[in-house]
Amino acid sequence: EVQLVESGGGLVQPGGSLRLSCAASGFTFSSYWMSWVRQAPGKGLEWVANIKQDGSEKYYVDSVKGRFTISRDNAKNSLYLQMNSLRAEDTAVYYCARDIPPRYWGQGTLVTVSS
Amino acid sequence: QSVLTQPPSASGTPGQRVTISCSGSSSNIGSNYVYWYQQLPGTAPKLLIYRNNQRPSGVPDRFSGSKSGTSASLAISGLRSEDEADYYCAAWDDSLSAVVFGGGTKLTVL
Repeated sequence: EVQLVESGGGLVQPGGSLRLSCAASGFTFSSYWMSWVRQAPGKGLEWVANIKQDGSEKYYVDSVKGRFTISRDNAKNSLYLQMNSLRAEDTAVYYCARDIPPRYWGQGTLVTVSS
Repeated sequence: QSVLTQPPSASGTPGQRVTISCSGSSSNIGSNYVYWYQQLPGTAPKLLIYRNNQRPSGVPDRFSGSKSGTSASLAISGLRSEDEADYYCAAWDDSLSAVVFGGGTKLTVL
């Protein structure tokens, strides 16, 4: 059974940093593109970033380019999202997802950017 | 403003058939597969349809997807109260090199 478990969310001040992690199990992690998708409170889904199987290709939504970095560790079956220079508009539930577009989703982790 | 356009709301009575549309362009729906998701309140999205019209195992055949040109549709037949949820379409966009989502459609079962 495919399982994706996010962690690392929380409350952070504007301008601060946070690192999200996603632990994957139930499939061969190194064989799949992985994504981060977010959902602001009461809003729709927004794709944030994705990364190729070997990490050689990465894509980002314009609003996070230069601030967020997606990475993976295939030896640890883990996906990461390093978020710097956080803004209030980054407040959202962040989902880890497999495939592009996603087929499997984690349960999400809430990131709140507020002073 | 979402790249893919969905109606914000839809409704139907139990047993009825409803359809939700998703409109895009040649760079997304016109040249790539369409995916549909169901999101129940307070939960993560769940894949309903992939590759335009394929259902993952466990998804009832009451749910069906279709695509024509730069538009796609999700149809739900035999509507049930538990189908009340938000529905999203998605596709890869070749011009943006990004996954694009519709704004979501809130389905109400009257």
